[in-house]
Parts: sequence; structure tokens; C-alpha cells
Amino acid sequence: AQSVTQLGSHVSVSEGALVLLRCNYSSSVPPYLFWYVQYPNQGLQLLLKYTSAATLVKGINGFEAEFKKSETSFHLTKPSAHMSDAAEYFCAVSEGAGTYKYIFGTGTRLKVLA
Amino acid sequence: DTAVSQTPKYLVTQMGNDKSIKCEQNLGHDTMYWYKQDSKKFLKIMFSYNNKELIINETVPNRFSPKSPDKAHLNLHINSLELGDSAVYFCASSLGETQYFGPGTRLLVL
Repeated sequence: AQSVTQLGSHVSVSEGALVLLRCNYSSSVPPYLFWYVQYPNQGLQLLLKYTSAATLVKGINGFEAEFKKSETSFHLTKPSAHMSDAAEYFCAVSEGAGTYKYIFGTGTRLKVLA
Repeated sequence: DTAVSQTPKYLVTQMGNDKSIKCEQNLGHDTMYWYKQDSKKFLKIMFSYNNKELIINETVPNRFSPKSPDKAHLNLHINSLELGDSAVYFCASSLGETQYFGPGTRLLVL
């Protein structure tokens, strides 16, 4: 069975500092992995995805994530936080192409301090 | 153009009532989903439809009944609403591995 664990339900960084949001997954088959962002009172928006191509994935708004199979991790990073990055971030996993079930992590709320 | 839209955006109702939430996507996707997000932001899949056929039903109480009249629409009907049904319900669609989410329907059961 698949699962996703996001370490840290709340993360605070200073504006301009590195953002690191952690995601570890469990999957019995090669997974597809996703990061979504949710701004207050809005739906989820895809930031980036890993679908078995390059292990370093670049997404929108300067975010990137690296798939590390040995660590079963897919951590999200951004070199320099901006105030507009404050939001809820969700990591998700699916069991590859043709599957329709996505398991979401419990989310990490990112706070950016001025 | 709104890719995935939901109506209503807010829904306040009494326990025991029956209500429906509608979802429409104009992306031409084959697969649509309903998710429930609770007060702690936990997002859980409820149903998934592919080409109007139900393919995932995640042990949701049978008070919840999805209906897909065509590939572009997936509605959610809830009978005998309970306090615990209060949540944000998200519709999503996908073609391939990427899901596109609607803005959510905030349901409050009093």
C-alpha cells in the first residue's frame, strides 16, 4: 500500500532563506510523485511532478524537488523564500501511469517571516 | 476560462438535509474525482470516475452518491447530512498523471 509522510506540519522561514519541505513515501511499485500548493480558500495547484524521468524536477515559482529512491524521499526546495510562498504544501503519490488513486500527505504550512 | 468549476462555493445546511454539489470540467479529461478535506487539511479521495464509470470508491458511507451524467460532469449527492460531513469538498480531473482541482465547496452542517 502507498503512503506519504510529510515531516513538519508547520515550517517557518525568513524571507530570502532556503525553503525545505520534507516528503517521504512508501510504494510497492515505482511511484509517481507530486507536490501541490494550496493558497487560502483555494483549490490545489500542481507545483511539480516526478514520473520516472529526471530525478531532479523543476517546477513553477522557483521550486524544485529531487527523487531519491534509496531514501524514499521527494523533498521540495526553493533557494530563496518569498512572502508569496506562504501557503499549504501537499506531497502526493500514485502508483504510476494508468492508476487513478492518489494518496496525499497531511500537508505542511509554510510561513514566511519578513 | 475556469478549468474545473464547482457549485456552490459555500453550503450551509441543517443536519438530516439532502444536498448536492456539482462539478464541471472543460479540459476534455476522462477521469474525475471527489476529495474531502477536513478541518486539519487532510485530503482524502472519495470517488474516482473514468469515462463515466466508477473506478474508486474509498469506503465512503452510502449516504454519498456520485453521479456522472457525462465525461465533463461529476456531481456529488449527500443524503441525511451529519455534523461530521462538514468539510471542504474538492472536485478534480485528470488526463494522465496530473490532476487539476476545482476551487472547493465549503460545506457546513449545523
